[in-house]
Amino acid sequence: DIVMTQTPLSSPVTLGQPASISCRSSQSLVHSDGNTYLSWLQQRPGQPPRLLIYKISNRFSGVPDRISGGGAVTDFTLKISRVEAEDVGVYYCMQPTQFPYTFGQGTKLEIK
Amino acid sequence: EVQLVQSGAEVKKPGESLKISCKGSGYSFTSYWIGWVRQMPGKGLEWMGIINPGDSDTRYSPSFQGQVTISADKSISTAYLQWSSLKASDTAMYYCARRYTAMGIVWFDPWGQGTLVTVSS
Repeated sequence: DIVMTQTPLSSPVTLGQPASISCRSSQSLVHSDGNTYLSWLQQRPGQPPRLLIYKISNRFSGVPDRISGGGAVTDFTLKISRVEAEDVGVYYCMQPTQFPYTFGQGTKLEIK
Repeated sequence: EVQLVQSGAEVKKPGESLKISCKGSGYSFTSYWIGWVRQMPGKGLEWMGIINPGDSDTRYSPSFQGQVTISADKSISTAYLQWSSLKASDTAMYYCARRYTAMGIVWFDPWGQGTLVTVSS
């Protein structure tokens, strides 16, 4: 199985300041079709997960442009340029490149 | 609107069987795989498995192979997750999610609202 490792596991951030989460995979996430399928999900307290980013850097519908994704092969990053109160929650990276699909452990974003 | 609606919360005793459901609407149910995800209390997301409702092709995560059964009834646009003998350690929230695929695109959306399963004697 591909192991997804996120850092940090907890991120206290001041409102208006940037935040960054790293995700590293134990194997390349480049699919045989040449694409890299790495997604980021947000889970707010008491809510189901919500898709934020797919295919490394593509924002899903309704996701604000202060949230961005980047990286390649085995190293990926989620960035929030200016943290707002609505960003509080747990963020997960996920790879739907190879069965079994796997998630990172989650990074809890909280306001300082 | 594309949505997945899951069945309601369940309280069961150890050893009992259970089948929870996930009903899709607003799209062609047989065109996209449905996955299941476990979230134990206070913990992260765990991938359980995925089914193609069109032909019932199913893939399980090794951790869940033999522990649960994933199935689907395309005539009523519903996927299922079932246990034959529940354990206390099956207490968790369970989510279903649709895998959308198109040329060079794979994502999981929407997600169901979750089904809370509590197993206690």
